[in-house]
Amino acid sequence: NAGVTQTPKFQVLKTGQSMTLQCAQDMNHNSMYWYRQDPGMGLRLIYYSASEGTTDKGEVPNGYNVSRLNKREFSLRLESAAPSQTSVYFCASSERGTSGKWYEQYFGPGTRLTVT
Amino acid sequence: RKEVEQDPGPFNVPEGATVAFNCTYSNSASQSFFWYRQDCRKEPKLLMSVYSSGNEDGRFTAQLNRASQYISLLIRDSKLSDSATYLCVVSLSGGYNKLIFGAGTRLAVHP
Repeated sequence: NAGVTQTPKFQVLKTGQSMTLQCAQDMNHNSMYWYRQDPGMGLRLIYYSASEGTTDKGEVPNGYNVSRLNKREFSLRLESAAPSQTSVYFCASSERGTSGKWYEQYFGPGTRLTVT
Repeated sequence: RKEVEQDPGPFNVPEGATVAFNCTYSNSASQSFFWYRQDCRKEPKLLMSVYSSGNEDGRFTAQLNRASQYISLLIRDSKLSDSATYLCVVSLSGGYNKLIFGAGTRLAVHP
């Protein structure tokens, strides 16, 4: 049981380049999330997908796009990378119980992105 | 003002020490509360949920004071393996699992 996987683990981009971060989960969760983590700050939500076929903006969506390819996969795209997007990116997934209570979010190992 | 505030530390303590972390949150509509643990260059993992009545898991005790909007984590008999960053996390109501993270408190346990 792999949980949440992310690729790549590391990436260096030049300003203006584009790339897609991949995320997949094998826990059959409906909801998936993309966060970024910067020094001295908590994780901040970029985009989320409450269920397959839906995506919504989080706290810091500018400069990013997402695709919920199917229930398992949720990708994050940087169309024109900027140095301000240098960060560690985490994908997560979670599920809601029949009582409506959310279970914990499970995180992938992260992608360390540097934009020069 | 940050929605979830924590002392960044680091807390440097010897093995066997008791250490307490505090956290305050600003949104009174917060519904659920958690402590996550994050090892260096790793992903966050749930340590424990925090309930109004307080809860304990082995050497870890979490407390919640909704009136003061304050959450705490107590670690007794610290081990070297407890060295990590501890993230205070609150969940808001809504159609998705909206989590607000504190920046974390770093703990270093030394021999």
